[in-house]
Amino acid sequence: ETGVTQTPRHLVMGMTNKKSLKCEQHLGHNAMYWYKQSAKKPLELMFVYNFKEQTENNSVPSRFSPECPNSSHLFLHLHTLQPEDSALYLCASSHTGAEGDGYTFGSGTRLTVV
Amino acid sequence: LAKTTQPISMDSYEGQEVNITCSHNNIATNDYITWYQQFPSQGPRFIIQGYKTKVTNEVASLFIPADRKSSTLSLPRVSLSDTAVYYCLVGDVDSNYQLIWGAGTKLIIKP
Repeated sequence: ETGVTQTPRHLVMGMTNKKSLKCEQHLGHNAMYWYKQSAKKPLELMFVYNFKEQTENNSVPSRFSPECPNSSHLFLHLHTLQPEDSALYLCASSHTGAEGDGYTFGSGTRLTVV
Repeated sequence: LAKTTQPISMDSYEGQEVNITCSHNNIATNDYITWYQQFPSQGPRFIIQGYKTKVTNEVASLFIPADRKSSTLSLPRVSLSDTAVYYCLVGDVDSNYQLIWGAGTKLIIKP
């Protein structure tokens, strides 16, 4: 399997639930990212991992907790979310410092908080 | 960080060539210009990237004038399946995570 794979594709959770989003890349990339895309809003960068180390956290609320156990896997742990957290959550990867290939995105997880 | 300005939406017809222009007046010396395509409920897909002059691949061409303050994505002979949102991004390829995503251009192709 190639590319960036995200699971699940769809998730409905209550505000008191705990769930996790998973991302896996088979491209040999060194950097992985979580993005949030709300309706009619631009993509918002949430977290960046470079060689498994978190290098960016764009003022994301603590109810979102990322985990990067190795350079191929990225998780986003969710707890006590709010309805406004409903969005498409996208994972991406890239070669850090490489020219010409940009990001490779997964298909996303459509999250609905009820 | 360089920001970009694109038209909010465009319409065209099957078989036509479509040109989408992006303005990036404060582009820095190390910045590259990258275009992505996004279909509903999917992640964006890399289309093309360039630094100056013209770049062509199997999907599109990218034209960049000498002052690099704008760029034009050219899609030859579009089809209905090219209906999507197209994003222009400007940033240093060594710092991909500093790219700023705008609202993009919603391209609608009609039969």
